[in-house]
Amino acid sequence: DIVMTQSPDSLAVSLGERATINCKSSQSVLYSSNNKNYLAWYQQKPGQPPKLLIYWASTRASGVPDRFSGSGSGTDFTLTISSLQAEDVAVYYCHQHYSDPRTFGQGTKVEMK
Amino acid sequence: QAQLVQSGSELKKPGASVKVSCKASGYNIVNNAIHWVRQAPGQGLEWMGWINTNTGNPTYAQGFTGRFVFSLDTSVSTAYLQISSLTAEDTALYYCARAAGGTYYLDYWGQGTLATVSS
Repeated sequence: DIVMTQSPDSLAVSLGERATINCKSSQSVLYSSNNKNYLAWYQQKPGQPPKLLIYWASTRASGVPDRFSGSGSGTDFTLTISSLQAEDVAVYYCHQHYSDPRTFGQGTKVEMK
Repeated sequence: QAQLVQSGSELKKPGASVKVSCKASGYNIVNNAIHWVRQAPGQGLEWMGWINTNTGNPTYAQGFTGRFVFSLDTSVSTAYLQISSLTAEDTALYYCARAAGGTYYLDYWGQGTLATVSS
């Protein structure tokens, strides 16, 4: 099984400051035949289902503000919120869909400082 | 616009069964796999498995075999999760989600169904 490990578990960021979340997979999720990383990021706010933010490691989903960006390849990935807004307070999860079981990271809670 | 609407909250006694429905609209359900994800109270997301909506073939994660059954009724565009022999440890939110491009990342999610197991 591919283990997804996020860091940190939580972080507190001031309004307008940058938030960075890391995700490491225990094996590569880069599919060589199409050069795509099978890695997605989701945002979950309290009382809501998860929402797709980023897919293929770096493609923003429709309607997602451009302050959210994803980067990385192979086994190391990063979600960056360039300028934290109040509505970004949430838990963020990385998820690999490279192979079954399609594991999630443990989540990173982003709070306002 | 694709949408997944799940059935309402359930309160069950230990040993009972529960069946959660996930109705798809805005697209043809046979074109995109449906995945199931569990979230225990205050915990993270746990992938349970998925059902191939074209063939009806289910795949279960370890820990979700035996008591868990994924099924499908394409005539009403609905996927189902049935859990039998419920225990308190099954108390959780259960989400269905659609796989983009047939089998990739999860682009649309249901609102979640809370199943509570209590005597």
